[in-house]
Amino acid sequence: DQQVKQNSPSLSVQEGRISILNCDYTNSMFDYFLWYKKYPAEGPTFLISISSIKDKNEDGRFTVFLNKSAKHLSLHIVPSQPGDSAVYFCAASPVGPDGLTFGKGTHLIIQP
Amino acid sequence: EAGVAQSPRYKIIEKRQSVAFWCNPISGHATLYWYQQILGQGPKLLIQFQNNGVVDDSQLPKDRFSAERLKGVDSTLKIQPAKLEDSAVYLCASSLVGTLTDTQYFGPGTRLTVL
Repeated sequence: DQQVKQNSPSLSVQEGRISILNCDYTNSMFDYFLWYKKYPAEGPTFLISISSIKDKNEDGRFTVFLNKSAKHLSLHIVPSQPGDSAVYFCAASPVGPDGLTFGKGTHLIIQP
Repeated sequence: EAGVAQSPRYKIIEKRQSVAFWCNPISGHATLYWYQQILGQGPKLLIQFQNNGVVDDSQLPKDRFSAERLKGVDSTLKIQPAKLEDSAVYLCASSLVGTLTDTQYFGPGTRLTVL
C-alpha cells in the first residue's frame, strides 16, 4: 500500500510559468515532508522541506504548501526554468529514526 | 566538501550470482541509509545505520540481502543469491545525526541488472 502518492507521472510546463507538483499521503504519523529533485544518472538532491506544524515554506523560486487535514502537499516553482526539468520526488518521515518514504516521482518537463 | 561516494556505478550479473556494493558517506555523518529504487518507483529504504549499529532493517530481505558498517564509516550491501527482481538502482545516503529534520544526502547510486 503506497503511503505517499504522486498521481501525475509527468508534467509539462512552459518556461516562465508556474509549475505545481502534487503529493498525497495516507499515514497520519508523518511529521516532516520533503521534496527531492533527481537528474538522470544522479542521486536525488534535497530541495525543500516542511514541518507538520507549518502550512507553507518558501525558498527562492520554490514554495511548499501543506494541508494536513487533506493530507496533501504541493510544490510550486515560479518562474519555471529549463534547468528545473527533472524528476521530483515527494518524501515523508514520521517522528523517530525511520528513513524516508518516497512517492513514485513526477517528471517535470520545462518547454522553451 | 566531498559527497557520498558509491561503487561500482553499474553492475550486470546473472541470477543466482552474488554482488556487493560499497558506500562511503560524507565525512562525519553518523547515519547511513541504503535504498532500493526499482524503475518507475521511488526509493525504498532497505536499512538504516546509526554509526555501526542497525536502527531499522525491517524492509531488508534478510534471506538474501545483508549489510554492514563495521567501523561506523564505510558500508557494504550484499545480495546473495541475486534474483531477477533485484534489478534496481541501489542508493546510499548519509546524514549528520539522523534526526527528523536532518537532511539526507544521496550518492549517485549503483545500477544493478540481473539477467
